[in-house]
This record gives sequence, C-alpha cells and structure tokens, in this order.
Amino acid sequence: NAGVTQTPKFQVLKTGQSMTLQCAQDMNHNSMYWYRQDPGMGLRLIYYSASEGTTDKGEVPNGYNVSRLNKREFSLRLESAAPSQTSVYFCASRLPSSYNEQFFGPGTRLTVL
Amino acid sequence: QKEVEQNSGPLSVPEGAIASLNCTYSDRGSQSFFWYRQYSGKSPELIMFIYSNGDKEDGRFTAQLNKASQYVSLLIRDSQPSDSATYLCAVTTAGSYQLTFGKGTKLSVIP
Repeated sequence: NAGVTQTPKFQVLKTGQSMTLQCAQDMNHNSMYWYRQDPGMGLRLIYYSASEGTTDKGEVPNGYNVSRLNKREFSLRLESAAPSQTSVYFCASRLPSSYNEQFFGPGTRLTVL
Repeated sequence: QKEVEQNSGPLSVPEGAIASLNCTYSDRGSQSFFWYRQYSGKSPELIMFIYSNGDKEDGRFTAQLNKASQYVSLLIRDSQPSDSATYLCAVTTAGSYQLTFGKGTKLSVIP
C-alpha cells in the first residue's frame, strides 16, 4: 500500500514549455486534490475531483488543467509554464468519511526558468 | 473569503516543555479542524482532527476547540527535538470537499 504517489519528484522547465504532473492513490479514495505551496503563502488549492468523472476549480486554477483519468489517477497539466508557477505541488486524496481528512503525496518541486 | 490565521513563529520551546500552537478561523460554519505536521522538504502529515468543542487527546498531542471563540489549538506535551517542524491548521465546512489552510507555525524544540 503505497498511499499517494507523485511523479516526477523534481522538474525544471523553460518558460512556455508544457508538462504533466502525475498522481495516483491506491487507497480507493473517491476525492483527489492538487495544491501548490509557496513560501509565505501556505497551501492553496488548484483543482479537485470529488469523484471519478468530475473536476472543480479551487482557489488558484489559472494556468492549469486537470484530468481525472480513473479512480486512482489525477493529473495536473501546465500548458505553457510561467516563472510564477515555480512552486512545490502536492497531490492529496480524501478518506471517504464525513470529516474531510486528506492525505498527501510526497510532492513535486517545479522550477520554471 | 474564508480565512485561517496562525502565528508564523518561529516558536521556540525547550525540550520537555509544552508547546502551544494556536489557530483562529473566520467562517462560523466551519465544522472540522485539522492539524498537519510538515517537516522541511516533506509533505504535510495529518496528526489530529477535532470536530466537537473541548479537548481531544492522542498521546502527547491535545487538540482544543472553542467554536464560540473560533479558536483551535494544539498542545504538544514533553516536546522533543523531533517535533521541530511547521504545523498547519486546516478547517472545513459541512458538506465541503475543500480544506482551507493557515500558513503554518514553525516550531523549534531546543535540546
């Protein structure tokens, strides 16, 4: 049981390049999330998927797209990376209870030059 | 705009002392409250959650909730150097899929 996994761990992009961050969970959770964490800004929600087949915007969705490929996998795509997207990206999944406990993957550290 | 406020710290306590971490929130409809621990360079780890007024204890950790004052705290008894980390407070409302996080308090336990 690996929990929440993310790939890659590190990535450097040039401005304008595109890439997809991958996330998978093996806990049979319905809901999955993408956050970014920046110094002094805390964790901010980019997009989430309440269940397979649905996605919704969070606090900072501009510049990103997501795909809920199946129950296990939730990917985040940057179509044209900008230096402002330099951040640490965390994927999380939610325990199927009423209290909204979320469990995080190890993160992807992205630098856009 | 839902807000969760935490003192950024750093909060320094000697080994063996009680560390007290505080969090206030703006949305009176908030239902559940979470404490995450985040070591430097690592991902947040859920350590406790609370949803009823009062205290909830788990080992050396106690979460305290006062909904009337919109205040939640985390006490760490017998603090250890391994407790040195950033502690994130998060809240959610009934039926919501989203958590709102505070910016975290950095705790340093001095041997």
